[in-house]
Amino acid sequence: KAGVTQTPRYLIKTRGQQVTLSCSPISGHRSVSWYQQTPGQGLQFLFEYFSETQRNKGNFPGRFSGRQFSNSRSEMNVSTLELGDSALYLCASSQTGTGANVLTFGAGSRLTVL
Amino acid sequence: QKEVEQDPGPLSVPEGAIVSLNCTYSNSAFQYFMWYRQYSRKGPELLMYTYSSGNKEDGRFTAQVDKSSKYISLFIRDSQPSDSATYLCAMSGAVTTDSWGKLQFGAGTQVVVTP
Repeated sequence: KAGVTQTPRYLIKTRGQQVTLSCSPISGHRSVSWYQQTPGQGLQFLFEYFSETQRNKGNFPGRFSGRQFSNSRSEMNVSTLELGDSALYLCASSQTGTGANVLTFGAGSRLTVL
Repeated sequence: QKEVEQDPGPLSVPEGAIVSLNCTYSNSAFQYFMWYRQYSRKGPELLMYTYSSGNKEDGRFTAQVDKSSKYISLFIRDSQPSDSATYLCAMSGAVTTDSWGKLQFGAGTQVVVTP
């Protein structure tokens, strides 16, 4: 069974640009969550999607957005990049109905903002 | 104060020793407790999860939850150099529609197992 696939793995952008990251969940997993990981703040929840709807959102500015497609694949977008957006962005998928938030993570997309 | 506290280490142990990791938390609503392992430049990998209090064992790994003390532990027996990684604890309350996918993570403890 293929795991969670994230693309691209590495990318470099400059301040003010925007970026789109992609995530393909495990087959059959309909919930996709996004996290930001930095050395200073650790793993922080961005948002969660299910059936193309954002159900939960973390405490991030509106520059951070996402969407989910009918095949459960998800994208997240960061507009007007700032230096502080440099981080590892992790996507996780899970099966709903198990009663537990058991997340399977992808390898992440490492974003560097110059 | 963070909801989940975890000593970032590094924790250095010789090969074959027992690795002891722990987290404390402040939110009494947490019911699900997980441990993830993260190698450098990789995503976190789920090691174990437990519900409520008690112990759970899986091979060389044992997870313990003490809800009365708001304290969870992970023990790794017969540690190997391949266990060198960052170990993250994570928690969530009752899973509802508006909490799905949302875990509170500790800062992670870097573990180094020396041959």
